[in-house]
Amino acid sequence: EIVMTQSPATLSVSPGERATLSCRASQSISSNLAWYQHKPGQAPRLLIYGTSTRATGIPARFSGSGSGTEFTLTISSLQSEDLAVYYCQQYNSWPPLTFGGGTKVEIK
Amino acid sequence: QVQLVQSGGGLVKPGGSLRLSCAASGFTFTDYYMTWIRQAPGKGLECISYISRGSNTKDYADSVRGRFTISRDNRKNSVSLQMDSLRADDTAVYYCARPRMVDGTLDFFDIWGQGTLVTVSS
Repeated sequence: EIVMTQSPATLSVSPGERATLSCRASQSISSNLAWYQHKPGQAPRLLIYGTSTRATGIPARFSGSGSGTEFTLTISSLQSEDLAVYYCQQYNSWPPLTFGGGTKVEIK
Repeated sequence: QVQLVQSGGGLVKPGGSLRLSCAASGFTFTDYYMTWIRQAPGKGLECISYISRGSNTKDYADSVRGRFTISRDNRKNSVSLQMDSLRADDTAVYYCARPRMVDGTLDFFDIWGQGTLVTVSS
């Protein structure tokens, strides 16, 4: 099983500032990584797939990068509506498909 | 529009059973695998089961294998999760989710149901 590790667990960022979230895979997953945004009481929302491709309707302030075992989600200018937990997920090797433990983004 | 609408869930005693259902609309259901994903309180997301388009292939996370059964009805565009021998650590919000299947295999999830809470408690 590929273990996905996210850091930090919590990130406090001021509105308008950049937020950088990290995700590490226990073995290479090529570029087969997705990111989700999860707000309380809602279903998770797909943000990024293929490491860097934004899903339909996702604002350009969200971007993804990386390859192999190290990946990054960047929110270039944090908005108040970006308060959420963000999860990475690998789909290179399954079963099982695995998610990271999440990074909670707080507004400072 | 493309959507998944869930039903079922609720409060059940340890050792009890519950059935979750998920109705799909707005897309060709038989083109897609379907999955169930859960989130326990204070925990992350866990993909607990998937089923192939024709129900030939099914798999389960170790945490639920032997207790949960996934099925689908392609005539009714629905997928279900039968949960037996429920335990307290099965308490979670359960989501059905559709993978995009860019290369014809399981990948990432672009359509999610609204989620349903299952509470296992005496």
